[in-house]
Amino acid sequence: EAQVTQNPRYLITVTGKKLTVTCSQNMNHEYMSWYRQDPGLGLRQIYYSMNVEVTDKGDVPEGYKVSRKEKRNFPLILESPSPNQTSLYFCASSLSMGTQYTFGSGTRLTVV
Amino acid sequence: GIQVEQSPPDLILQEGANSTLRCNFSDSVNNLQWFHQNPWGQLINLFYIPSGTKQNGRLSATTVATERYSLLYISSSQTTDSGVYFCAAGDSWGKLQFGAGTQVVVTP
Repeated sequence: EAQVTQNPRYLITVTGKKLTVTCSQNMNHEYMSWYRQDPGLGLRQIYYSMNVEVTDKGDVPEGYKVSRKEKRNFPLILESPSPNQTSLYFCASSLSMGTQYTFGSGTRLTVV
Repeated sequence: GIQVEQSPPDLILQEGANSTLRCNFSDSVNNLQWFHQNPWGQLINLFYIPSGTKQNGRLSATTVATERYSLLYISSSQTTDSGVYFCAAGDSWGKLQFGAGTQVVVTP
């Protein structure tokens, strides 16, 4: 089944403890992206990647890192999480920039 | 960047009713998509529709790119249609901008 898989689905962590949210797609998509969704602020792009080893900042990149070493994987790294990064995170992929998106199931992160 | 406005912000429907959701965007787009976020938080792609009309079961969408709007039609609504509907528009640089969404509640 064609899909975008995010893990974990739920995570509670403490301030400052490094964490990684994984994202993997099995559709051979070139374009991948991370979003966060917050009440009243909607969906905002954190980082995106147009292909392997090509990444760029979205609207809210501060406090996040990404890497794209393989086409299928696009992990989101929070090196020192803070409570303001408590949010619902989504990974998305598409065949190329400007084509139809497929979203993962989301990761609900709480930083205490 | 592109501004995306959706209306109405909230919609309450009785099961079986029809409705129209609107998405206005501020600039030329080459990418327009509609998504449904269900009550469990999952985002499902309903349509990729930078122009023209598409239908998928009880849902259909029309984008008039020259007039900078898109419409999503829900016919014979069911309780499973409840959730938030997002419109997202993208420019030639590929950045997809999401609207604030329309919260739809379908009552039995």
